[in-house]
Amino acid sequence: DVVLTQSPATLSVTPGERISLSCRASESVDTYLHWYQQKPNESPRLLIKYASQSISGIPSRFSGSGSGTDFTLSINGVELEDLSIYYCQQGNSLPYTFGAGTKLELK
Amino acid sequence: QVKLLQSGAELVKPGASVKLSCKTSGFTFSTSYMSWLKQVPGPSIEWIGWIYAGDGGTNYNQKFKGKATLTVDKSSSTAYMDLSSLTSEDAAVYFCARGIYPGITQDWGQGVMVTVSS
Repeated sequence: DVVLTQSPATLSVTPGERISLSCRASESVDTYLHWYQQKPNESPRLLIKYASQSISGIPSRFSGSGSGTDFTLSINGVELEDLSIYYCQQGNSLPYTFGAGTKLELK
Repeated sequence: QVKLLQSGAELVKPGASVKLSCKTSGFTFSTSYMSWLKQVPGPSIEWIGWIYAGDGGTNYNQKFKGKATLTVDKSSSTAYMDLSSLTSEDAAVYFCARGIYPGITQDWGQGVMVTVSS
C-alpha cells in the first residue's frame, strides 16, 4: 500500500499568515493526490483535486502543488475558519490511502 | 444540490451484521462511483471500496474483503454497505461518498457511527 506521510502533525498558526502543509508518498502517485479539510464533527470536504486543480466553491486562498511523491497544500492568508484537520489522499493505486492528517490550531 | 443522507447510528452486538444506507439526490447516480470509508479516532481514514452505480461493479480494499459488501439500488439512488461478523475493531464512523471517477470523493454523507457492544 502507498503510505502518505503528512507533516507537520500539528501547526500553530496566526490569522493572516501563509502556510504550507506537506504530503509525501512512499512511491509515485503521479498527480492523483487530493486534499481534504475536516472540521470537528463534520465530514471531510474536497479542497484540491489532482494535486493542483481547484474545486468550485473553495476559497482561492487554498492551492496545491506537486507531483510524483512530494506535494504541498498552501493557504495564503489563514482565517479562523480554516482551523481544521487536513488530509491528503492518493487515488493512483489500490487501495486508495489517506495520510494521518495535519491539524491547524491557533497560536 | 448534491445530497448524501446516511442512516442513523447503530448499536450492534458482537458477531452480528449491520446494513448501512446512503440515499442520494442532486446528481446522476447511475454514472457515479459510490465509495465507503471508515474513520476511527486517531483520526485516520480508510477506504473500504467503491461500487459503480451504473453496473454494480465493485472494487474493495483487500483488508475489507469478506467484511464489507457494497450494493446499490438504482431505482431509489441509494447505496448500501453490509458489514458482517462485527467485532470491536469495526466500531467507527462510516461515510459514504461519491465521485465521478474512482479514487476521488467529491461529496460525502454525514457519517454514521457504528458501536459494537453486547
